[in-house]
Amino acid sequence: GQNIDQPTEMTATEGAIVQINCTYQTSGFNGLFWYQQHAGEAPTFLSYNVLDGLEEKGRFSSFLSRSKGYSYLLLKELQMKDSASYLCAVRDSNYQLIWGAGTKLIIKP
Amino acid sequence: SAVISQKPSRDICQRGTSLTIQCQVDSQVTMMFWYRQQPGQSLTLIATANQGSEATYESGFVIDKFPISRPNLTFSTLTVSNMSPEDSSIYLCSVEKKGTGDTEAFFGQGTRLTVV
Repeated sequence: GQNIDQPTEMTATEGAIVQINCTYQTSGFNGLFWYQQHAGEAPTFLSYNVLDGLEEKGRFSSFLSRSKGYSYLLLKELQMKDSASYLCAVRDSNYQLIWGAGTKLIIKP
Repeated sequence: SAVISQKPSRDICQRGTSLTIQCQVDSQVTMMFWYRQQPGQSLTLIATANQGSEATYESGFVIDKFPISRPNLTFSTLTVSNMSPEDSSIYLCSVEKKGTGDTEAFFGQGTRLTVV
């Protein structure tokens, strides 16, 4: 079966750095996405990785290792507004998106 | 990008009744996706709706329970039929379009359904 694992919840301090990991086992791979979802809102796109390596976009970076079936989302200079759930999703060989359950990130002052 | 208007945003319904959720997209798209998201869980794809043909349902979801309409390339509805408390969830419609990188998923605001 297809499976995406990410931690259920993480806590970090305002101004600090946090890394959210995602491991996946899917039938084929056509890219990995990270989405941010604030409580009561729809998910919004953060990043996309299809090749190994690090993609940086402002305070957010995303890393991919296809051989290890592993990705992480790195958030720097955390702000209170970063409190949200972060969803990892993989596009499989059928171009269908397979979603992780999300990691709830709690930012403390 | 794509902007999706989804309504209602929330509803409380009696068991045994039905609710129809509507999604309007600001541009034409071939496929629209309907998801269910239960608290603390991942997005689960219910079905894919193509214009002019029957929707394709995922394992565990059937047309009698979740009938879908797709009358044109910018609009779709999902009906949750004969509701029970187990249907309480957030329902999201989604489209995929070219974004800043690859094809991204864009979502409606979601419908929070509570069945009592």
